[in-house]
Amino acid sequence: AQKITQTQPGMFVQEKEAVTLDCTYDTSDPSYGLFWYKQPSSGEMIFLIYQGSYDQQNATEGRYSLNFQKARKSANLVISASQLGDSAMYFCAMREEDSGAGSYQLTFGKGTKLSVIP
Amino acid sequence: NAGVTQTPKFRVLKTGQSMTLLCAQDMNHEYMYWYRQDPGMGLRLIHYSVGEGTTAKGEVPDGYNVSRLKKQNFLLGLESAAPSQTSVYFCASSPFLAGDYEQYFGPGTRLTVT
Repeated sequence: AQKITQTQPGMFVQEKEAVTLDCTYDTSDPSYGLFWYKQPSSGEMIFLIYQGSYDQQNATEGRYSLNFQKARKSANLVISASQLGDSAMYFCAMREEDSGAGSYQLTFGKGTKLSVIP
Repeated sequence: NAGVTQTPKFRVLKTGQSMTLLCAQDMNHEYMYWYRQDPGMGLRLIHYSVGEGTTAKGEVPDGYNVSRLKKQNFLLGLESAAPSQTSVYFCASSPFLAGDYEQYFGPGTRLTVT
């Protein structure tokens, strides 16, 4: 079973509108974290936002917020007031502990391509 | 600070050739990672390291070897390249700090094996 599922291969949003990118995850580890990364056409991976499994409040970073619903195992990214520069691939990723090595690994979803329409 | 750098940025290999990708970070991070990104597959972990002199296998380690002789460098080797290893390779690093889990990525290396 996939650990991270992003069901939207592509999305369109009108400039200045809000958009939600879906992410569901699967883990039995009580301690985990969820990330969103942005990958523009230039190819670099840009960190957007992080939510820990024990965090009581939803994470926010500027126009980005993470809608964390623990019981439903979802961690959707909400982008408010979309801009043309938001057009990119967006990846959801999960951090799990690797107890054998004393570190942690990230598992990525397949991504959602967001296109912002002027 | 340069952050995470990768050398080279592009490379074309013939089947059976070998090469080494270099990743360097100047943030004194303990953890380093190598990922590959294929179309429609997201990023998949190849190997990682939790400190100087240590390495461990990730999700797709076959056909690759790694070494971490110095804390700031993480090398990815392909001993006998195959067309299936055509991909974009990303290196990342992260600190060993509770609560600071962000992985900092390099710009990527685009490898084509013909």
